[in-house]
Amino acid sequence: GENVEQHPSTLSVQEGDSAVIKCTYSDSASNYFPWYKQELGKGPQLIIDIRSNVGEKKDQRIAVTLNKTAKHFSLHITETQPEDSAVYFCAASKPPGGFKTIFGAGTRLFVKA
Amino acid sequence: SAVISQKPSRDICQRGTSLTIQCQVDSQVTMMFWYRQQPGQSLTLIATANQGSEATYESGFVIDKFPISRPNLTFSTLTVSNMSPEDSSIYLCSVARDTHTDTQYFGPGTRLTVL
Repeated sequence: GENVEQHPSTLSVQEGDSAVIKCTYSDSASNYFPWYKQELGKGPQLIIDIRSNVGEKKDQRIAVTLNKTAKHFSLHITETQPEDSAVYFCAASKPPGGFKTIFGAGTRLFVKA
Repeated sequence: SAVISQKPSRDICQRGTSLTIQCQVDSQVTMMFWYRQQPGQSLTLIATANQGSEATYESGFVIDKFPISRPNLTFSTLTVSNMSPEDSSIYLCSVARDTHTDTQYFGPGTRLTVL
């Protein structure tokens, strides 16, 4: 079955620097790749997603890139702020409906002021 | 997106007892799911809550331990039965608007501690 590996498990950056989190997936049929941010005591919040027909997507300080050939995708956060500190999860799913969503293990991001 | 609420937000229970968690969505959705997130871990799908029929359980999860109800398109419950300390986790409800949309939205979670 599908397997999603996520690295690093912990990431510490200085405020204003960029943060990059990488994920690889095993099933080439996967076609939808969401990223979730989970703050302490809260449920995961969808922050950005990308589909397999797109190579890159941006939303303000957040961007996601997808390399279908290599089966990996990455989350890029620029100009990090202390409020970006959270656990980030990548995920992969495939049709139909994509509801066998497989989540990565998570990356705990610390942004130091 | 969808506004999802869960009750209770947290609870502390004695082993051997059962707890029912409620999930309410602000609009009708086709798909509702229940996940478990153990401390410091990722999300594991327990089951898909089907309206009008039995839930579909993932490997390692059974109906006797995690009975699920879904009486309509905006509400579902998950019961954690005969609890043990190993059931201490965050239980999350998620929804997707229809079967053609992969995007899932999560509720705030229920933090369960079993003593």
